[in-house]
Amino acid sequence: DVKVTQSSRYLVKRTGEKVFLECVQDMDHENMFWYRQDPGLGLRLIYFSYDVKMKEKGDIPEGYSVSREKKERFSLILESASTNQTSMYLCASSPWTSGGTSTDTQYFGPGTRLTVL
Amino acid sequence: DQQVKQNSPSLSVQEGRISILNCDYTNSMFDYFLWYKKYPAEGPTFLISISSIKDKNEDGRFTVFLNKSAKHLSLHIVPSQPGDSAVYFCAAFTFSGSARQLTFGSGTQLTVLP
Repeated sequence: DVKVTQSSRYLVKRTGEKVFLECVQDMDHENMFWYRQDPGLGLRLIYFSYDVKMKEKGDIPEGYSVSREKKERFSLILESASTNQTSMYLCASSPWTSGGTSTDTQYFGPGTRLTVL
Repeated sequence: DQQVKQNSPSLSVQEGRISILNCDYTNSMFDYFLWYKKYPAEGPTFLISISSIKDKNEDGRFTVFLNKSAKHLSLHIVPSQPGDSAVYFCAAFTFSGSARQLTFGSGTQLTVLP
């Protein structure tokens, strides 16, 4: 079974703090993703990475950065947390495929509920 | 502008009846569609998928229908069970050249009443 773990289930930070969210997957997947989930908006892609040290912006990258130094680990960084970054953050991973099969499925971690005061 | 839309934020169904969850999309480049189920305090889990070259895919109690001309897909659950109560997300794939990206809908909260 694929396992995606996230370092914290709940996190409370203050405005202006630097925040690190860590994600680790154990299935040697090439692709890793960070989403945020907000009521009425579904899941929105922040950043993704298709290889070590590679990253690409998703739909809402502003205010975030990422780091992927090892294949199994993908970190999301909030350089200076703001109250509008209060959200549920979900990490996912998937294998690289040529496309069009169920192996494109992304496997999600349990999420980190971040509150910025 | 949301490219994948789930217009019903919630749906209640009696146990044993059919649940129908709907999803509309606007991007004709989407080539693969998935449904995810999410329980509170857990990450989404993959439920069922369909390629754009098909119009139906079935897996046990779950069937997904795709109408490409209408840019519409639906998930049928029959019979519905209380354990099916969860948020269901519709998602669609495009291949951006470096990785396949998923675009999610806003979700539909399904409640199956015993």
